[in-house]
Amino acid sequence: NAGVMQNPRHLVRRRGQEARLRCSPMKGHSHVYWYRQLPEEGLKFMVYLQKENIIDESGMPKERFSAEFPKEGPSILRIQQVVRGDSAAYFCASSPPGRTVDGGYTFGSGTRLTVV
Amino acid sequence: GQQVMQIPQYQHVQEGEDFTTYCNSSTTLSNIQWYKQRPGGHPVFLIQLVKSGEVKKQKRLTFQFGEAKKNSSLHITATQTTDVGTYFCAGKGNKLVFGAGTILRVKS
Repeated sequence: NAGVMQNPRHLVRRRGQEARLRCSPMKGHSHVYWYRQLPEEGLKFMVYLQKENIIDESGMPKERFSAEFPKEGPSILRIQQVVRGDSAAYFCASSPPGRTVDGGYTFGSGTRLTVV
Repeated sequence: GQQVMQIPQYQHVQEGEDFTTYCNSSTTLSNIQWYKQRPGGHPVFLIQLVKSGEVKKQKRLTFQFGEAKKNSSLHITATQTTDVGTYFCAGKGNKLVFGAGTILRVKS
């Protein structure tokens, strides 16, 4: 049972380009969460999605950032017109529907975005 | 909104010494989770605490949840070099809200 798969692992973009980050949740997991982490800082919540629905996007910047989790395929975090301040590690986590015994999230290995 | 504060930010210990990190929430938590992130790695779930005053142990790690369910601690006995990493607490509602983490360095 594969874990949470994120790609690419590393992404370099020039200022003004678009960045697309992909996340495939664990099999059977229908909840996806995106977090951003700056060096030596904590994880900042961005968005919580279920299939075809955005449940909570309170952590998403209002401009340039969008996320989706289509019925088929991975969840996508899209950053348009990237700026240097977008450089960070972006982690995706998934959880199954309903309550779980231990409640923990399973995180992917992350995408390290560098804007040059 | 919910805020989770964690101290200390950094802790350097000699191998064999104990280590403790503390977590405080601005609001009462339904439960709290702990994660470990190795340098260059991703967060890995360690444990969830649900009950007031709960204490759970995993080998040399002891986790506590305060009586008021607003604070928690992680204590590591006799640290080893494999304990190096950042330890995060996270309060859970419909999403996890993470503390800033405590970076643990162990000198051998």
